[in-house]
Amino acid sequence: ETGVTQTPRHLVMGMTNKKSLKCEQHLGHNAMYWYKQSAKKPLELMFVYNFKEQTENNSVPSRFSPECPNSSHLFLHLHTLQPEDSALYLCASSQPLRGVSQETQYFGPGTRLLVL
Amino acid sequence: EDQVTQSPEALRLQEGESSSLNCSYTVSGLRGLFWYRQDPGKGPEFLFTLYSAGEEKEKERLKATLTKKESFLHITAPKPEDSATYLCAVVGSSNTGKLIFGQGTTLQVKP
Repeated sequence: ETGVTQTPRHLVMGMTNKKSLKCEQHLGHNAMYWYKQSAKKPLELMFVYNFKEQTENNSVPSRFSPECPNSSHLFLHLHTLQPEDSALYLCASSQPLRGVSQETQYFGPGTRLLVL
Repeated sequence: EDQVTQSPEALRLQEGESSSLNCSYTVSGLRGLFWYRQDPGKGPEFLFTLYSAGEEKEKERLKATLTKKESFLHITAPKPEDSATYLCAVVGSSNTGKLIFGQGTTLQVKP
């Protein structure tokens, strides 16, 4: 059973709407991530937060605005989206490790977004 | 540039018919290679992490192996419930924290 939850699970919005996606992790991790998964394309990293600080913005358009109020919660605020932004948005968390090894990321179930 | 290529794109097996999925990667300073399973409409579920060439890990009917250029996910005597998309991802020393994913292999196991 996943320790990462996402709400809502499904969202339909018009191009002029403003909505927010929410992610909560119950694993005690200190890093959180937003990914985008479009049909027929690999998962794309969007944002990374470490200890509530944004450490990565993978050239994401400004119509996507992340917020991380604490290590357990992550939001993705959406405004004036385009139809091509329709995708599965996935949240993940991990516990940063010291040393050279990369820690494992654990994913939530995703929010299926449709922009009309 | 770090890169991951998975093959085949799709694989159909009969129940009990063993096979392997391939993940070829190019990365500067491998920090980890990850296998995930993803069911339709769900998030990726973690399976294995491999850190160095020669390493192997097993879980039920699945076994993951790693060389300096590729990883294999061996499926022994698969069952219909093993049907899913299997994703491979790597992290290199130049992109700490950034999982670079392949496109996945969609496996269908028929009874």
